[in-house]
Amino acid sequence: QIQLVQSGPELKKPGESVKISCKASGYTFTNYGMYWVKQAPGQGLQYMGWINTETGKPTYADDFKGRFVFFLETSASTAYLQINNLKNEDMATYFCASPHHWGQGVMVTVSS
Amino acid sequence: DVVLTQTPPTLSATIGQSVSISCRSSQSLLDSDGDTYLNWLLQRPGQSPQLLIYSVSNLESGVPNRFSGSGSETDFTLKISGVEAEDLGVYYCMQATHAPLTFGSGTKLEIK
Repeated sequence: QIQLVQSGPELKKPGESVKISCKASGYTFTNYGMYWVKQAPGQGLQYMGWINTETGKPTYADDFKGRFVFFLETSASTAYLQINNLKNEDMATYFCASPHHWGQGVMVTVSS
Repeated sequence: DVVLTQTPPTLSATIGQSVSISCRSSQSLLDSDGDTYLNWLLQRPGQSPQLLIYSVSNLESGVPNRFSGSGSETDFTLKISGVEAEDLGVYYCMQATHAPLTFGSGTKLEIK
């Protein structure tokens, strides 16, 4: 069955970087784009952008241009989200999603 | 960006009751390819979102048929015909017709 399995929770300090993985299984990885969604504590869902898994081309929503990077390791059917220069407002759960399936989410805590 | 307005923000239902959630879009979600990319998601407490309905009215595999979706252009409805205890959580509509993808603010379903 189709699964998206994400990496574990992260505790980081402001200014550090974090890399979150999303490993896909049960389908051909390059058949569907991978989306990234942020959910701040107690809040709704916020679209961050997506990456074309065939070409590796990322597209970022306006609020996520600059410090956020989407990339792939296609041979491992894995997508990554890297957040650089972490800020307090980055504290959230981050989900990857293919059109019909979602990962379990990764909670990123930012605290000095 | 397309704004999706969900009502009501909260909903309280007894087991077996039928309920509806509305999602209104700030612009038509009818794509030039003839499809309407309006989906419904359920996020149960502590879980990642799951897809219930895609393209307005198509039931995702494995989703009980007490869930149904309807609507067109800018006005969409999710109906649950006979709420069950496992249906509690937050329901989101989501559009993918216009970039960037956007989500409604959510409707929290509570069980009385």
